[in-house]
Amino acid sequence: AQSVTQLGSHVSVSEGALVLLRCNYSSSVPPYLFWYVQYPNQGLQLLLKYTTGATLVKGINGFEAEFKKSETSFHLTKPSAHMSDAAEYFCAFAPGNTPLVFGKGTRLSVIA
Amino acid sequence: GAVVSQHPSRVICKSGTSVKIECRSLDFQATTMFWYRQFPKKSLMLMATSNEGSKATYEQGVEKDKFLINHASLTLSTLTVTSAHPEDSSFYICSADGTQETQYFGPGTRLLVL
Repeated sequence: AQSVTQLGSHVSVSEGALVLLRCNYSSSVPPYLFWYVQYPNQGLQLLLKYTTGATLVKGINGFEAEFKKSETSFHLTKPSAHMSDAAEYFCAFAPGNTPLVFGKGTRLSVIA
Repeated sequence: GAVVSQHPSRVICKSGTSVKIECRSLDFQATTMFWYRQFPKKSLMLMATSNEGSKATYEQGVEKDKFLINHASLTLSTLTVTSAHPEDSSFYICSADGTQETQYFGPGTRLLVL
């Protein structure tokens, strides 16, 4: 079955610390992979995506993610957390001609 | 580019009435749009896939007669919640299909049924 697993429903980091949000997928076809961010009472904003080519992709707000096919992972990182990064983050993938498959989300808290 | 709007952003209605939510792609054409429902602190639940000029495809468990979807043009899809009840209160989000399987999301509509 095609699925996305986000490890940790809640991650808390100190301001200035490394942010690491984990995402693993299960797919029988080469996937397109996405990270979205959702601020309270808002829709989802695309942070970054991997389609083909370079496996390290850079997104907005200093985030980046690396596609590792051997590990079926697409973890999201940011070197230094900012208070404004506090939000809900969703990993998703497109397994071909079907709607996006979303993870359950990870809530990031940033402590001053 | 790739902006999706939703209207209204928030609506309160009485039980038994119908509510229409609009989803527009402002600067691109979208053959396919998606409607999601999101419960508090939960992920998105896909309700239906809306294709321009054809009937929507509903996910299992979603009542098509209750959640009417119309995709009349390449920039507009509407979701009508018919005979709304308090349990229909939720956050409804639409998205439009862009290139390379990328979906662009609207800001969401908060529905409260009294």
